Amino acid sequence: RKEVEQDPGPFNVPEGATVAFNCTYSNSASQSFFWYRQDCRKEPKLLMSVYSSGNEDGRFTAQLNRASQYISLLIRDSKLSDSATYLCVVNRASGTYKYIFGTGTRLKVLA
Amino acid sequence: DAGITQSPRYKITETGRQVTLMCHQTWSHSYMFWYRQDLGHGLRLIYYSAAADITDKGEVPDGYVVSRSKTENFPLTLESATRSQTSVYFCASNPNLGQGKEETQYFGPGTRLLVL
Repeated sequence: RKEVEQDPGPFNVPEGATVAFNCTYSNSASQSFFWYRQDCRKEPKLLMSVYSSGNEDGRFTAQLNRASQYISLLIRDSKLSDSATYLCVVNRASGTYKYIFGTGTRLKVLA
Repeated sequence: DAGITQSPRYKITETGRQVTLMCHQTWSHSYMFWYRQDLGHGLRLIYYSAAADITDKGEVPDGYVVSRSKTENFPLTLESATRSQTSVYFCASNPNLGQGKEETQYFGPGTRLLVL
């Protein structure tokens, strides 16, 4: 079993739709959680960190469920420009270099 | 503000050849990383460096060598390239491994390496 697992998708959604992705992690000691966005053939870029209380940044909402060991990303009012691969990243122990990347969930927003 | 750059962006080489991938960052970040990205795998850490002259192995270090004589540079060398090292290589840096924003990893544009 992979330490960080994501549904690879693709998730094909119409513009304006709401879409949610989940990511499960197996190491209960994991401390820090992130969502990165990666456009085709480009480098990953931080979308948002995920805090225990949940956090929102515009149309994006991230949640952490430690009991069930998953994080989620909700995108509201999807735009064509949201089409990308979303990487779930978990740090095994905060303050260390042990970042574990999921394989990503691909989103295609359709006109 | 150049940020973090990698060179070359594309490289074709043959098995058995030595190849060096360059990574340069202008922020004076302490921490630097080399990852490889392959289909079916998330980014996997090859090597990591906490500061100049301090490096450590990551998840998949075999066949690779790194050095960090200066804070801003972190070259990755494939000593004798193999076909299994065909991949996209990303260099990244962190200002710190603390909390919150300091944990943000900034990635270079990547080097696409093909080993024939």
